[in-house]
Amino acid sequence: NAGVTQTPKFRILKIGQSMTLQCAQDMNHNYMYWYRQDPGMGLKLIYYSVGAGITDKGEVPNGYNVSRSTTEDFPLRLELAAPSQTSVYFCASSYPGQGLLEAFFGQGTRLTVV
Amino acid sequence: GQQLNQSPQSMFIQEGEDVSMNCTSSSIFNTWLWYKQDPGEGPVLLIALYKAGELTSNGRLTAQFGITRKDSFLNISASIPSDVGIYFCAGPFEGSQGNLIFGKGTKLSVKP
Repeated sequence: NAGVTQTPKFRILKIGQSMTLQCAQDMNHNYMYWYRQDPGMGLKLIYYSVGAGITDKGEVPNGYNVSRSTTEDFPLRLELAAPSQTSVYFCASSYPGQGLLEAFFGQGTRLTVV
Repeated sequence: GQQLNQSPQSMFIQEGEDVSMNCTSSSIFNTWLWYKQDPGEGPVLLIALYKAGELTSNGRLTAQFGITRKDSFLNISASIPSDVGIYFCAGPFEGSQGNLIFGKGTKLSVKP
């Protein structure tokens, strides 16, 4: 059982470049999330999705875009990378009901923008 | 806006010691969660609390949902080296179903 899989694990981008962080889950979870984690800080929500075709902004959405064409996949797009986007990115998923907040996290993508 | 304050920020303890950490919220929560993050990994859920006053254990870990619904506590008994990591408290993000707000974490170091 793979759970939540993120690729790549590490990436270095130059300012102005773009990239897509991939996230896939095999638990048939409706809800999926993207968080970023900066050193010494907790996780902050970038975007989330409650199901295929539905996405919404979280706390820190500027500079990012998402799409959700299938239940399994939830890619995060950075269009014009900036140094402020250097961070560790985590994708997560959860299932509706009492366990809605009991999110399962991927291993993270460590992104450096230079 | 919503804030979660976790303390202490970091702890350095000897193997075998007990550990206590806590989290306070600026608003009332109906759910508290405790996650652990190992170095280089994503957070993993340790304990979920759904009722004020609830005390729940998971092995050597015990968490409590404060009566005021604005705080929660996590205790680790007889710490071992693999307890090293960052412990996060989390609760529901206001006005947004399913989303979490996280504390800044308590970094635990255990000396063998």
